[in-house]
Amino acid sequence: DAKTTQPPSMDCAEGRAANLPCNHSTISGNEYVYWYRQIHSQGPQYIIHGLKNNETNEMASLIITEDRKSSTLILPHATLRDTAVYYCIVRVASNNDMRFGAGTRLTVKP
Amino acid sequence: DTAVSQTPKYLVTQMGNDKSIKCEQNLGHDTMYWYKQDSKKFLKIMFSYNNKELIINETVPNRFSPKSPDKAHLNLHINSLELGDSAVYFCASSHSTGNTEAFFGQGTRLTVV
Repeated sequence: DAKTTQPPSMDCAEGRAANLPCNHSTISGNEYVYWYRQIHSQGPQYIIHGLKNNETNEMASLIITEDRKSSTLILPHATLRDTAVYYCIVRVASNNDMRFGAGTRLTVKP
Repeated sequence: DTAVSQTPKYLVTQMGNDKSIKCEQNLGHDTMYWYKQDSKKFLKIMFSYNNKELIINETVPNRFSPKSPDKAHLNLHINSLELGDSAVYFCASSHSTGNTEAFFGQGTRLTVV
């Protein structure tokens, strides 16, 4: 169902930048890219979203390629608490259909 | 202060029973969702409601019946529980326009024995 593909797992050293890729080659012009994460068995947590411009907030940066077919979520200084499953989702902002793929399990190591 | 709250957090019940999970949000959102996360950790959308109207109903058995008495509540009633219903159920809410980030509840772990 998901319209995105992500690597199943990644490791990152504590304090280094974590770069999580996402492919969304069939994205439509009015679809946004959203990122969420799920820490252990908690409810998913919103991180960031964007349409075509790069975005940054207090949690992360989102880099979207010019053709919008892929994006990268960047956690600039990963900590152990960033260990989680990260989900990339594409959706029309006003659409109530929000579908998750398998996500990327990021493990931050000391 | 909890934005999206679900009750109960844990639910253990026998096959064949009927149970309900309640969800309330205090964020003023007009859209609410139910998701199921099974043992393989896939998070699947079950239902989506906008202003108390059913918008999305995935291929969910009709033993599952959502009820939205008002925009702030979306309860999930499950009849004739089966072993395969064991999972973690998450409620979420969002605006349908403007800033549409979704907020999730802490989940309800349902175990059918």
